[in-house]
Amino acid sequence: DIQMTQSPSSLSASVGDRVAITCRASQSISRSLNWYQQKPGKAPKLLIYAASSLLSGVPSRFSGSGSGTDFTLTINSLQPDDFATYYCQQSSAGPTFGGGTKVEIK
Amino acid sequence: EVQLVESGGGLVQPGGSLRLSCVASGFTFSDYAMSWVRQAPGKGPEWVSAISGTGAYTSYVDSVKGRFTISRDSSKNTLFLQMRSLRAEDTALYYCARHYSGSYYDLWFDPWGHGTLVIVSS
Repeated sequence: DIQMTQSPSSLSASVGDRVAITCRASQSISRSLNWYQQKPGKAPKLLIYAASSLLSGVPSRFSGSGSGTDFTLTINSLQPDDFATYYCQQSSAGPTFGGGTKVEIK
Repeated sequence: EVQLVESGGGLVQPGGSLRLSCVASGFTFSDYAMSWVRQAPGKGPEWVSAISGTGAYTSYVDSVKGRFTISRDSSKNTLFLQMRSLRAEDTALYYCARHYSGSYYDLWFDPWGHGTLVIVSS
């Protein structure tokens, strides 16, 4: 199995901050990396697929980068609606998810 | 509007069985591969199983192989997950999710249903 490790596991930030969440794969997955946002009591929502492709309707302040084993989700100018838990997921083989990063209000 | 509505969860004893259903609407069901993804309380999601749009191809995470069976009925726009020999570690919220691109091989998911809770306990 390909293991996905996210860091940090949680962070505190203010509205307007730039936030970066990293995800590392246990082996190279090329660009087969996806990002989800999950709010309490709700299902995950896909934000970015194939490392950097933004889903239609997702605000442009979200961006993804990386390839191989190291990936980053960046949120520019954090908005109140962005406080949530974010998961990375590899789709190279037998999909697996990271442990999540909870973004909290400072 | 695309909608996925799961049902069939509940409390079951270890070794028991359950059949989950997911009714889809708002899109041509047979054009899309579908997956089941589960999430244990306080944990990250775990992909469980996928099925192609025609139903011809299926895949499973190792921990459920031989115990769970995914299937679909395009005449009823419904996805199923038959679960047997259930274990405590199968306890989770089970979501059905559409493969975003439609392809069985593109394993990224959107949208997801609201989930149905499975609790395996004596």
